[in-house]
Amino acid sequence: GAVVSQHPSWVICKSGTSVKIECRSLDFQATTMFWYRQFPKQSLMLMATSNEGSKATYEQGVEKDKFLINHASLTLSTLTVTSAHPEDSSFYICSAVGQSYKGSEQFFGPGTRLTVL
Amino acid sequence: GNSVTQMEGPVTLSEEAFLTINCTYTATGYPSLFWYVQYPGEGLQLLLKATKADDKGSNKGFEATYRKETTSFHLEKGSVQVSDSAVYFCALRLLTGGFKTIFGAGTRLFVKA
Repeated sequence: GAVVSQHPSWVICKSGTSVKIECRSLDFQATTMFWYRQFPKQSLMLMATSNEGSKATYEQGVEKDKFLINHASLTLSTLTVTSAHPEDSSFYICSAVGQSYKGSEQFFGPGTRLTVL
Repeated sequence: GNSVTQMEGPVTLSEEAFLTINCTYTATGYPSLFWYVQYPGEGLQLLLKATKADDKGSNKGFEATYRKETTSFHLEKGSVQVSDSAVYFCALRLLTGGFKTIFGAGTRLFVKA
């Protein structure tokens, strides 16, 4: 099946710094990618939807200036957490939908655990 | 609003036991329903799905039936294995929502040998 990777798998940073998380579709072209956030023992919360070459669409309550999303190519989307604070510590998961999989299913990355000290 | 509620875990079973993980949903419109599984250190994988009422999704011995009258999509397996230990997520997706998927909180399953 299709594979989606994320890098890094975990990151620890100091408060006030910015962190970039990459999401790549390894064997298909992803026209749409999604970014989710998961708190311990809670469900995945959709943060934003990004389409290649256009601006991301953010869900209500998600600060777009804090969580910068760039879908630069059909295989890469990045999430940058700017001026991170401890409350941004969470598990971030991306998923991708490919042109050849239209109307079928999403493929998920393994997630990135962010810890802000 | 649209939401998914699934039973809290963890669920601990012995090998070959019967598994049920309850899932109910609230949705405006007619959603497609999904079960995803997340093995340790891996991403979510689609386990099974159903797109309309009374459909039964099945895969790897797991089954779930789309029950519109009870707004439920309970996951069942007749005989679990140690390798089934994972976190299971129930989810819905509306036809009008593109690929926006709404997830339940997840249920962790431990299967003992």
